[in-house]
Amino acid sequence: DVKVTQSSRYLVKRTGEKVFLECVQDMDHENMFWYRQDPGLGLRLIYFSYDVKMKEKGDIPEGYSVSREKKERFSLILESASTNQTSMYLCASSLRTRSGEQFFGPGTRLTVL
Amino acid sequence: AQRVTQPEKLLSVFKGAPVELKCNYSYSGSPELFWYVQYSRQRLQLLLRHISRESIKGFTADLNKGETSFHLKKPFAQEEDSAMYYCAGPWGSSNTGKLIFGQGTTLQVKP
Repeated sequence: DVKVTQSSRYLVKRTGEKVFLECVQDMDHENMFWYRQDPGLGLRLIYFSYDVKMKEKGDIPEGYSVSREKKERFSLILESASTNQTSMYLCASSLRTRSGEQFFGPGTRLTVL
Repeated sequence: AQRVTQPEKLLSVFKGAPVELKCNYSYSGSPELFWYVQYSRQRLQLLLRHISRESIKGFTADLNKGETSFHLKKPFAQEEDSAMYYCAGPWGSSNTGKLIFGQGTTLQVKP
């Protein structure tokens, strides 16, 4: 059973803080993703990684960076959190050969005050 | 640019009524499209993919190239079908691994 875990379910931070969101998958998937989920806007891709140390920008990368030092771990970093980054963040992973089938983590609800 | 559009934010039906969740796409040819579902307090998960042509939990979806649509259908809705549904398609060429998701439709099945 594929398991994607995220470090926190709920997080409250202050404007200007540096925020780290961690994601770990245990199925040796090559691809990993970070999304924002906002009502009425659907899922928007922030960053995508297809291999260790490899990344591509998604729809909305501004204000975010990512790190993938190990295959199983994909981190999302908010360098200086702002209130408009208050959102639900979803991590996902997939096999390169079945890339449309993504497995999602439970999500992190981030509130920036 | 490739786009997946779900025109309805909310669809409310009574138990036992037919359901059709709309999805339109702007790809050329025959894209591989997907439906994902998120039940309350559960993680987002794949419901079905058009290429497998299967029925999951009574739901089916057919690619209609003429109308560029991939609507999700179920003949008789159940209360447990209440959830958020997302239509998704490939971002750029099909082997990038990235997906574009629609805006999502909340299905509410009333007793």
